[in-house]
Order: sequence, then C-alpha cells, then structure tokens
Amino acid sequence: DVKVTQSSRYLVKRTGEKVFLECVQDMDHENMFWCRQDPGLGLRLIYFSYDVKMKEKGDIPEGYSVSREKKERFSLILESASTNQTSMYLCASSGGGLGVNYGYTFGSGTRLTVV
Amino acid sequence: ELKVEQNPLFLSMQEGKNYTIYCNYSTTSDRLYWYRQDPGKSLESLFVLLSNGAVKQEGRLMASLDTKARLSTLHITAAVHDLSATYFCAVDSNTGNQFYFGTGTSLTVIP
Repeated sequence: DVKVTQSSRYLVKRTGEKVFLECVQDMDHENMFWCRQDPGLGLRLIYFSYDVKMKEKGDIPEGYSVSREKKERFSLILESASTNQTSMYLCASSGGGLGVNYGYTFGSGTRLTVV
Repeated sequence: ELKVEQNPLFLSMQEGKNYTIYCNYSTTSDRLYWYRQDPGKSLESLFVLLSNGAVKQEGRLMASLDTKARLSTLHITAAVHDLSATYFCAVDSNTGNQFYFGTGTSLTVIP
C-alpha cells in the first residue's frame, strides 16, 4: 500500500513565522499536491506537482510556496503565517505523471493553528 | 474553471434503505474519484473511475461514471451505521494539473 506521510499531525505557529509542512510518499509517484480543508469552504487545491522541480498553482496559491527537490518529498511553505491560514492541510500523491492519474492517496493531514 | 457539485449536501437515512449521491461536473473529464472522510480524519480512496460507463462496487457501495452527461453516482444499498461519513467526489482536468473536489455529502445512517 502507498504510504503518504505528513510530518506533523498538529502544529501551532505564531503570526509572521515561516512554516514548513513536509510530505513524503514511498511509491515513486510523479503527482503530488497540497490542499486545505475548511468548514463551509470544502477542499481547495493550493499547489500541484507532476515531477521533480515542476509545480502548478492551484486555486489558492497566495501566501504559499512549494518545493519539490526530490520525487518523494513535497514541501508546502507558508512564507509568513497568518491567522487565515489556520486550517487542515492535506497532502496527496498518485502515479502517472502530467495528464495521467491513477487515483490519489492522502496523508493523514496536518492541523495548523496560527496564533 | 471546472465546478464539481454534489447533491445532496446532507443525507440522513435509515439503516437498510437505499440511496444515491450525485456528482455533476462542468467540463470534459474522463477521470472521477470518490473518497470517504470520517470526522477528524483524512480522505480514504473508495473508487477510481477512468472511462465512460465505468462501474465499480465495493460492499454496499457502487459508483458509476457517465462522461457524456458529466455525472457520477454513488449508490448505497441497505445502509448500515458504519457508512456514516462524508463522501467526496473529485475530478481532475484532462491536462492532469488541476484537481477539483465536490462539496461533499455528509451521510448519517440512523438505526
């Protein structure tokens, strides 16, 4: 079974801090993405990556950046955390590459609180 | 922008009954996914539908895809309490670089 591991289950950070959320998958998947889930707003895509060093903006990239230096690891960076970035963050991966997708497997999520 | 709409948003059903959740999407896509989410947990993959006419079944759940109508259904047969969860459909664009979630259907199965 594919394993997608997010480094932290719960995180509390202060406003203005730089925050790194890490996601690692163990199945040599090409596709990975980060999304956030908020009550009443559902799930929204932040960034997508279909290969090492390749990234595409999702619906809500503002205030975020990403890094994919190695295939198995996709990092989400909050450049200067703000309270409106308090959310549940989910990482997912799938095999296939750009234009192909065999179904995503999700990590267990990181609940981030910015105070 | 691709839109994905589910209905109903909330569903309360009695054990033993049947019901269908609908997922409509607004643009051409050949790939549709169904996920289950339990409270406080992440998403668990239920079905991957990769072509028109695809039908998949697992236990009391059956999913189908009609790409011409841009519609997928998740049918629940003889519901049991363990099926209580939120169900999401999701679609990716044909270019594969965007992923859109439906609004979710919160299902409660009552004894």
